[in-house]
Order: sequence, then C-alpha cells, then structure tokens
Amino acid sequence: GAVVSQHPSRVICKSGTSVKIECRSLDFQATTMFWYRQFPKQSLMLMATSNEGSKATYEQGVEKDKFLINHASLTLSTLTVTSAHPEDSSFYICSARPGLAGGKHSYEQYFGPGTRLTVT
Amino acid sequence: GQSLEQPSEVTAVEGAIVQINCTYQTSGFYGLSWYQQHDGGAPTFLSYNALDGLEETGRFSSFLSRSDSYGYLLLQELQMKDSASYFCAVVGGSARQLTFGSGTQLTVLP
Repeated sequence: GAVVSQHPSRVICKSGTSVKIECRSLDFQATTMFWYRQFPKQSLMLMATSNEGSKATYEQGVEKDKFLINHASLTLSTLTVTSAHPEDSSFYICSARPGLAGGKHSYEQYFGPGTRLTVT
Repeated sequence: GQSLEQPSEVTAVEGAIVQINCTYQTSGFYGLSWYQQHDGGAPTFLSYNALDGLEETGRFSSFLSRSDSYGYLLLQELQMKDSASYFCAVVGGSARQLTFGSGTQLTVLP
C-alpha cells in the first residue's frame, strides 16, 4: 500500500515552454501533498505544500507564478513549471500524506519516484 | 526556521555497524524522521521518532534525544545494498512538513 506515482519520469523541454508534472496517490487519499526539488548530490528542498481544494503554500524564495500547483482532488496534485529556463533543470519529487489521524505514521510521507526535468 | 547537520560521508565495510548522527535547530518540532535514497531514486521512509529513546526496525535503529536536539540512525550488519544517501528530517511547522538535512552518503565496501 501507500504508492505514489509521478508522470512523466523524465522530460526534456525547450526554454520558454511549460511543463506539467502529475503526482497521484494510488491507494490512499492524500489530504496534503508536498513538492520538492533536488539538485544533484544535494538535499530535498521543500517548494510548496498543497491541501486539496485550497491554494498551495509556497516556501520562501519559490515563485508561485512560475511553479503553479493544483491539488484538485484527494489523489492528484500537479506542478506546472511555466516558462522554463535551464536553471529550472532539476529532479522534482512529490510526496503525499494520508492525514493526521493519529499515531506516528500519520506524519509519514510517501514519495513519488520523481521527475527529472531538463530544459535546453 | 529549521537547520539540521549530519556528516556528508561515511564509509564502512560489509557486516560492520555505522551510526549517522543528526543535530537540529528548530522553531517547531514534532519528531525526527530518517529516509534512505539511492541514486536517481525516491526517498524511502526508514523511521520516525517523536519521543526520546531508541526505535528498532530490523537492522536499522533510530534514536532521539529532544533535550539535546540530537538523533542518530544506526545501521547494523551492513550490506552492499545499504550504500545510499541517508537524510534526517525534522517534522515541524503548521503543515507537519519535512525539513531535510543535507544527507550522508554511505559507502559500504566489500
């Protein structure tokens, strides 16, 4: 159980175009989803937190107009990188959390396999 | 804000025991998690400590001391497949989000 999928796994796009990445929780409902960015050999940096049906909360320094997040259902969140530039090339990872129903595993996040974005 | 420190690299041989330490400074704290990540892969959950003490799960154990803002991951009977990056992460904030440390690259030698 607790499987999270991401699509696509890899994408190459030209500078100036937009790319949409989907994150799905396959066997549970995710009240909260998170989007991370990871550069090679570095840590995961939280970009934003999204709750179903409400606006995402972005971390300091993350441009909300550039990284559009939509959490339209309890099983799907999307991240759209708008007007992508080479510096946006990175590994984007989503995670999903079932909810704060109690118990230690209510804090556990389940991660998707990641999307490697290359902007040329 | 949150900040975490952990060693950048650790090397050990098969069958050995390794301890990866993590110290943190945080303005809000619910617990400390540990994740494993192989190159090119997604992080996978290893453990979570909300209370002081040792949690054991198979070959892996995790410890937390809230008063010392310190935790560690203990890996026993190391195997080659344990070569990966290990991240400690504080669970905190209004959304109980994860703030990750910089990661420790563990290399297991034959």
